[in-house]
Amino acid sequence: RKEVEQDPGPFNVPEGATVAFNCTYSNSASQSFFWYRQDCRKEPKLLMSVYSSGNEDGRFTAQLNRASQYISLLIRDSKLSDSATYLCVVNAFNTNAGKSTFGDGTTLTVKP
Amino acid sequence: GAVVSQHPSRVICKSGTSVKIECRSLDFQATTMFWYRQFPKQSLMLMATSNEGSKATYEQGVEKDKFLINHASLTLSTLTVTSAHPEDSSFYICSARDRREQGRLSSNEKLFFGSGTQLSVL
Repeated sequence: RKEVEQDPGPFNVPEGATVAFNCTYSNSASQSFFWYRQDCRKEPKLLMSVYSSGNEDGRFTAQLNRASQYISLLIRDSKLSDSATYLCVVNAFNTNAGKSTFGDGTTLTVKP
Repeated sequence: GAVVSQHPSRVICKSGTSVKIECRSLDFQATTMFWYRQFPKQSLMLMATSNEGSKATYEQGVEKDKFLINHASLTLSTLTVTSAHPEDSSFYICSARDRREQGRLSSNEKLFFGSGTQLSVL
């Protein structure tokens, strides 16, 4: 089993749709969590950190459930520019220098 | 925000050539940098963790003699792909974490990525 698992996707949705991505992690010592966005052949860019209390940034909402070791990302009112691969990233500080573990990513395509 | 500069952005070379990729943190110091490889339509795979002033830590299955890492200062790490072959063709990317954030149990331990290097070995 992978340390970080994401919905395999791809997700193809129309503009304006609401889409949710899920991510589970296996290391119970994980301490911090992030969603990154990666466009084709570009570097990943931080979308948002994920807090236990949940957090929202505009159309994006992230949730963390430590008991279930589960993270989610909700995108409302999808835009064409949201098309990208979304990476779930987990940091565990009991590992090598706080190594970050990446999920395989979920690809989103928003269509007109 | 913090910036990580990675050069070159693209390399095309002949088989057997060695290729050096640089990763610099421009406005922060990083005692640790990470090197990844990404094949098409796959996720980032951590190759090694580069530690300033000491030997790099390699992930299982990554040949340390093939992928030489040097982290001579708090702002520079280099990855050298020695005697590159076509199967080494990939997107290589580095990341760094601000040393002031390192080890702190906070949600601010985010990674700053270089822009990546597309290596094509003919």
